[in-house]
Order: sequence, then structure tokens, then C-alpha cells
Amino acid sequence: EIVLTQSPGTLSLSPGERATLSCRASQSVNSRYFAWYQQRPGQAPRLLIYGTSNRATGIPDRFSGSGSGTDFTLTISRLEPEDFAVYYCQQYASSPRTFGQGTKVEIK
Amino acid sequence: EVQLVQSGAEVKKPGESLKISCKGSGYSFPTYWLAWVRQMPGKGLEWMGIIYPGDSDSRYSPSFQGQVTISADESMTTAYLQWSSLKASDTAMYYCARVLKDYALLDAFDIWGQGTMVTVSS
Repeated sequence: EIVLTQSPGTLSLSPGERATLSCRASQSVNSRYFAWYQQRPGQAPRLLIYGTSNRATGIPDRFSGSGSGTDFTLTISRLEPEDFAVYYCQQYASSPRTFGQGTKVEIK
Repeated sequence: EVQLVQSGAEVKKPGESLKISCKGSGYSFPTYWLAWVRQMPGKGLEWMGIIYPGDSDSRYSPSFQGQVTISADESMTTAYLQWSSLKASDTAMYYCARVLKDYALLDAFDIWGQGTMVTVSS
């Protein structure tokens, strides 16, 4: 099983600032099979990025993804109020699909 | 509109059985793999398993194999997650989620149900 470790656990930032979230895999993941999700309180997760760097439909371009091998990054260029949420990385290259434990982006 | 609508919240006692549902609409239900994801209170996301409604081919996470059963009824465009004997540790929110592209087993989840809260308590 591929273990995904996200850092930091919590990111305290102000609106307008840049957020950089990391996800490290326990073994190499084909970048075609890596995604990021956002979950706001009381809501279902929402797909942000798939295939490491492809934005899902309707996702603003302030969200971007990058990475390869074992290290992947989600960047939010300028935080909007609605971006304060929990973010999960996921690999879907092998079974079981696994998620990271989440990074909470909170208002400073 | 493409959507997944899940059945309502359940409160059950340990040892009871349960079957929750996820109805797809607005797309070709048989040709998209559909997964179940658990989220325990205050915790992260766990992939439980996935099914292809067109032929009911299903795959399970080792953590959930033998603990739950995933099924689908193509005619009802509905997928199911069931337990034969619930435990208190099954208390969680359960989401169904559809893959992004038809026929693709290895894919991200772009459409999610609203979640079904299952509470197991004596």
C-alpha cells in the first residue's frame, strides 16, 4: 500500500497569501494518477486537480499542481475566503487507492 | 445535471445489518466506475472499494474486504454499500464517488454524493 504523508498538518495564512501544500508518497507514483481534493466543513470532497497538474472543471486558475515520483505539491496562488478548508492528496495508480491525512488551511 | 444522490442518515445498533444507496443520474451509469469512501468523525478519507455497474466487477481495499459488500443495480442506476453485522467502529460518513472518465478504473473522483451518516450505537 502506498502511504501518502501531507505537510504541514495545518497552514495558517491570510487571504491574498500564497499557500504551498506538500504530499510525499512512500513509493514512486506515476504522475498520471495523482489528485488533489478540497473539503469544506460539512461538505463532500471536491476534485481540484487530477493527473498531477490538470485542473478539474470549474476550478479557478489560482489552483495549480506539480510534482513527480514521490513528491507532489498543490499551490494556491492567492487565497480567497472560500479556500480555507482541508485539502487531501490521493494516488490512484495502485490498489488500494490511498489518500493523505489532509492539510487544513486556516485563517491566520 | 450529473449527480449522485445518497440515502439518508441511519442510526443502528451493533450487530444489525444495513444497506445504503447511491443513485446516479445525468450520465451513462453502467460505464463509470463508482467508489465508496469512508470518513470517520474528524478524520480523513479512506477508499473502501469500487464497482463497475455495467458488469458488477468490484475491487476492495484489504482493510474493508470481507467487512462490507459493494453492489450495483444497473436498471435502478443505483449502487449499494452493505454490512451484515455493524460495529460501533463503523460509525462514519460514507460517500460514493464517480470516476472522471467512462471505462477508466484508474481515475480521480469528480462527482461525489452528499454523504450518508451511519451511527452505530447501543
